[in-house]
Amino acid sequence: DVVLTQSPASLAVSLGERATIHCKSSQSVLFTGNNENYLAWYQQKPGQPPKLLIYWTSNRASGVPDRFSGSGSGTDFTLTISSLQAEDVAVYYCHQCYNHPRTFGQGTRVEIK
Amino acid sequence: QVQLHQGGARLLKTSETLSLTCGVSGGSFNNYYWSWVRQPPGKGLEWIGEVHPAGDSYYSPSLSSRVVISRDTSEAQFSLTLHYLTAADTAMYFCTRGSDYSKAGDIWGQGTMVTVS
Repeated sequence: DVVLTQSPASLAVSLGERATIHCKSSQSVLFTGNNENYLAWYQQKPGQPPKLLIYWTSNRASGVPDRFSGSGSGTDFTLTISSLQAEDVAVYYCHQCYNHPRTFGQGTRVEIK
Repeated sequence: QVQLHQGGARLLKTSETLSLTCGVSGGSFNNYYWSWVRQPPGKGLEWIGEVHPAGDSYYSPSLSSRVVISRDTSEAQFSLTLHYLTAADTAMYFCTRGSDYSKAGDIWGQGTMVTVS
């Protein structure tokens, strides 16, 4: 199985500051057919289902604000919130949809400092 | 727009069988990956399995002996069956659509809380 390890487990960031979450994969999730890493990021607020933010490492899903960005290659990936807003308080998960079984990171809780 | 419809909360007993259905409305059913994901109270997301556009199903190894995911294209719905329930199966169960190109879950149901006692 592909193990996704997120860090940190939680972080507190001041409003307007940058938040950075890391996701390390135990193996490549690169599909050479289209040269895309099948690594996605989700945001989950309390009492809600997850919401897709980023797919293929760095592509924002429809309607996602541009303060959210994804980057990475190989086995190291990052989600960045460039200027944290109050509505960004949530748990964030990375997810690989390249191999079976699909797997999720353990989640990172983002709070306001 | 596309919506996934899940039923209300379920209360089941140990060793019983869970059956959940997710209805799809507002869009095409074909060409997508239809998945189930669960989340125990206060914990992270766990992938259960999915059915592919071609109809083949894949499961989490930890659940594969107890789970079946199937689809009914004529009814635009897909289902989860989980046998021999234990308290460890208590969780919120989400159905989700995987994009036909990125496979990431771009549409999610609201979830069904399943309690096993």
